[in-house]
Amino acid sequence: KQEVTQIPAALSVPEGENLVLNCSFTDSAIYNLQWFRQDPGKGLTSLLLIQSSQREQTSGRLNASLDKSSGRSTLYIAASQPGDSATYLCAVSGALNQAGTALIFGKGTTLSVSS
Amino acid sequence: NAGVTQTPKFQVLKTGQSMTLQCAQDMNHNSMYWYRQDPGMGLRLIYYSASEGTTDKGEVPNGYNVSRLNKREFSLRLESAAPSQTSVYFCASSNRAANGYTFGSGTRLTVV
Repeated sequence: KQEVTQIPAALSVPEGENLVLNCSFTDSAIYNLQWFRQDPGKGLTSLLLIQSSQREQTSGRLNASLDKSSGRSTLYIAASQPGDSATYLCAVSGALNQAGTALIFGKGTTLSVSS
Repeated sequence: NAGVTQTPKFQVLKTGQSMTLQCAQDMNHNSMYWYRQDPGMGLRLIYYSASEGTTDKGEVPNGYNVSRLNKREFSLRLESAAPSQTSVYFCASSNRAANGYTFGSGTRLTVV
């Protein structure tokens, strides 16, 4: 059974710092990995999608890497800002059976950036 | 705007009442999903529909039923609500995972 773990569970940093969020998964047979952002009381916003054949994806100040063989992904946030404060969720997509796939989520890292 | 639409956004039920959560997507995705999100538990899969006409149980299906009405719509029904079903429910869709998953804005359900 696929399990996704995110470390740390919470992180507080001053504005301007570069930071790394970690995600690990137990079964390397994934289709892709997706990072989401969730603000309190809100839905999930997709940040980056990495296909299983890719090593990394970048969007603005965000960079996500994937090492499928070791079951690890990192989300790098450069020059953090107070507006980056949110919960970041890592999820991997894998087969549930011959017909279906679904995302399996980690429990998230709650980031607080102080000004 | 293209995406996943969930209704209602908020609902309060009494124990034993029934209700249906509605979800519709306009991206022509084949697969649709229902998740629940609880503090400390993360998002857990309730049911999913790999394609129109098929549905399967996820990790936490007890107390729920689903209907894939057509390619666009996937509903979640609580036949007899229990306080343990107090949660935030998210619907999602994907196209064989190739382009990732898109989530609705959620339904916040309280059962008293």
